[in-house]
Amino acid sequence: RKEVEQDPGPFNVPEGATVAFNCTYSNSASQSFFWYRQDCRKEPKLLMSVYSSGNEDGRFTAQLNRASQYISLLIRDSKLSDSATYLCVVPLTDSWGKFQFGAGTQVVVTP
Amino acid sequence: DTGVSQDPRHKITKRGQNVTFRCDPISEHNRLYWYRQTLGQGPEFLTYFQNEAQLEKSRLLSDRFSAERPKGSFSTLEIQRTEQGDSAMYLCASSLGPSNEQYFGPGTRLTVT
Repeated sequence: RKEVEQDPGPFNVPEGATVAFNCTYSNSASQSFFWYRQDCRKEPKLLMSVYSSGNEDGRFTAQLNRASQYISLLIRDSKLSDSATYLCVVPLTDSWGKFQFGAGTQVVVTP
Repeated sequence: DTGVSQDPRHKITKRGQNVTFRCDPISEHNRLYWYRQTLGQGPEFLTYFQNEAQLEKSRLLSDRFSAERPKGSFSTLEIQRTEQGDSAMYLCASSLGPSNEQYFGPGTRLTVT
């Protein structure tokens, strides 16, 4: 099993709709997580941190399920500008030195 | 601009040549990370520094790869005797500390011909 797994998509979402997708991780000791978005041929940019059960920032909601070892990202009222690849990030060591990125979930918001 | 910067943005080199990339992190950030990303994949961890100390290296980092952060500020990543498989985007990131979010630079896209 990969350390961090994501559904690659693409998730084709009509503008204004809601989309949600998960990220599963194998290291049960991981404490905090991050979601980054990456536009085509650009660097990843931080979207949200997830430190406890979840986090909400405007139209974006992240939830953590420690028992099942996954985090989810939900986007409400999708905008065309939400089209991107969403990367799940899991710290893998107690020293927090190493971060494992998932391969990303592609979201395409259509008019 | 106070973000992470990388230089060069693009590098085309012939197989067997050596290349060196530079990363300037956000000034107050103690941690600096190097990643490699290929098409369709997430960034792969290569190595990271706490100030000038290199704390961990990935098994992906063969003997041809070396990274330094001599004064705890900017960092360099050198690839010796480049191979076509080294073609990728090399990303640098920095963070304030071990539990803080990482901020990425624009990356250096390496093409080995």
